[in-house]
Amino acid sequence: GAVVSQHPSRVICKSGTSVKIECRSLDFQATTMFWYRQFPKKSLMLMATSNEGSKATYEQGVEKDKFLINHASLTLSTLTVTSAHPEDSSFYICSARELSSDRTSPLHFGNGTRLTVT
Amino acid sequence: AQKITQTQPGMFVQEKEAVTLDCTYDTSDQSYGLFWYKQPSSGEMIFLIYQGSYDEQNATEGRYSLNFQKARKSANLVISASQLGDSAMYFCAMREPYSGAGSYQLTFGKGTKLSVIP
Repeated sequence: GAVVSQHPSRVICKSGTSVKIECRSLDFQATTMFWYRQFPKKSLMLMATSNEGSKATYEQGVEKDKFLINHASLTLSTLTVTSAHPEDSSFYICSARELSSDRTSPLHFGNGTRLTVT
Repeated sequence: AQKITQTQPGMFVQEKEAVTLDCTYDTSDQSYGLFWYKQPSSGEMIFLIYQGSYDEQNATEGRYSLNFQKARKSANLVISASQLGDSAMYFCAMREPYSGAGSYQLTFGKGTKLSVIP
């Protein structure tokens, strides 16, 4: 099946530093990738949608300058949390839409990244 | 208003018994898709089952079946013969609108934590 690799799985960083999270589709081309954020015991909230080669579309309330998304190729999207603060601590999970998929196809998810900002 | 409502924050089921996890949704579209995902404590999102709004038959996938009642806008997940490994968070999600740009994103409910008792 389609595999999405997300790295790192866990990261601890100091307040004010930036963290980059990678999301790779290993055996398929992903025309669209979605970035979600999940607070403890809460649902997944869509942060942004990124299409290969174009600017990401951010959901309302998500700071574009804080959460930088790059989707440079059909197999890689990155989320950079800039100038991280403790309130950015959360579980971030990416998902990918397969190029050949249709509307009935599920999204393929990475294993998530648990970010802790101290 | 919530698009996806899962009213059961937590559920317990005896091993080998069946359990139903509730999901209701709100949409004005006629064409949409409903998905169920399982999230173990490790964090990954595992796709379980899909139901299209125009599907006449209830979806089934192994021990998972979907009790789809379109008029009531409900899509309950039924897990038969529960196993200890079924203990996890379960999320109901909807894809809509069904066509056009950005149509592949999913909106998630708040989830139900299922605990299987030996």
